[in-house]
Amino acid sequence: GEDVEQSLFLSVREGDSSVINCTYTDSSSTYLYWYKQEPGAGLQLLTYIFSNMDMKQDQRLTVLLNKKDKHLSLRIADTQTGDSAIYFCAESRDTGRRALTFGSGTRLQVQP
Amino acid sequence: DTAVSQTPKYLVTQMGNDKSIKCEQNLGHDTMYWYKQDSKKFLKIMFSYNNKELIINETVPNRFSPKSPDKAHLNLHINSLELGDSAVYFCASSQAQAGAGEQYFGPGTRLTVT
Repeated sequence: GEDVEQSLFLSVREGDSSVINCTYTDSSSTYLYWYKQEPGAGLQLLTYIFSNMDMKQDQRLTVLLNKKDKHLSLRIADTQTGDSAIYFCAESRDTGRRALTFGSGTRLQVQP
Repeated sequence: DTAVSQTPKYLVTQMGNDKSIKCEQNLGHDTMYWYKQDSKKFLKIMFSYNNKELIINETVPNRFSPKSPDKAHLNLHINSLELGDSAVYFCASSQAQAGAGEQYFGPGTRLTVT
């Protein structure tokens, strides 16, 4: 079955790097995504990675994928207070169905 | 210029009522979705339409009925509302067969059933 898991909470100091981890069980996952949700807001797509890649970098964001261990991480460099939010990882399969299966979300708190 | 919009943003209603939430996207996407986010922030797919055709219908009570009048709109009608229906409902859209098929989400509709 499909299962995506994340740790619930992460606290870092401003300027440090944040690493948010995610594990998934579905080996047929094709795409893995990271979304950000600020309080009272919708979900903002941050980045995604195709399953045949092991790393993707986009400005302050670095996504690492270990397909063997079914482990995905999001690293935010030079974390700012504006990065405080809930971060969701999600997966989908290339079957036309394309519904996202989400993790439970990691609440990132950035302390000044 | 909003890509995916939902109305209303907030909906407070009593048990037993019938209500609708509307969603529109101006991205030219062919697939639209409804997700439910519960009080613990857990997000789960409810429905998906591709070119006005229902392609995903998860285990959702039949009190929930999606309707897609055209590719740009996907509305959600809920009959006989129950306390457990209180949640935030998100609409999303994507171009299903294009690359990663990234889904873009609306701002959400917070439904409170009293």
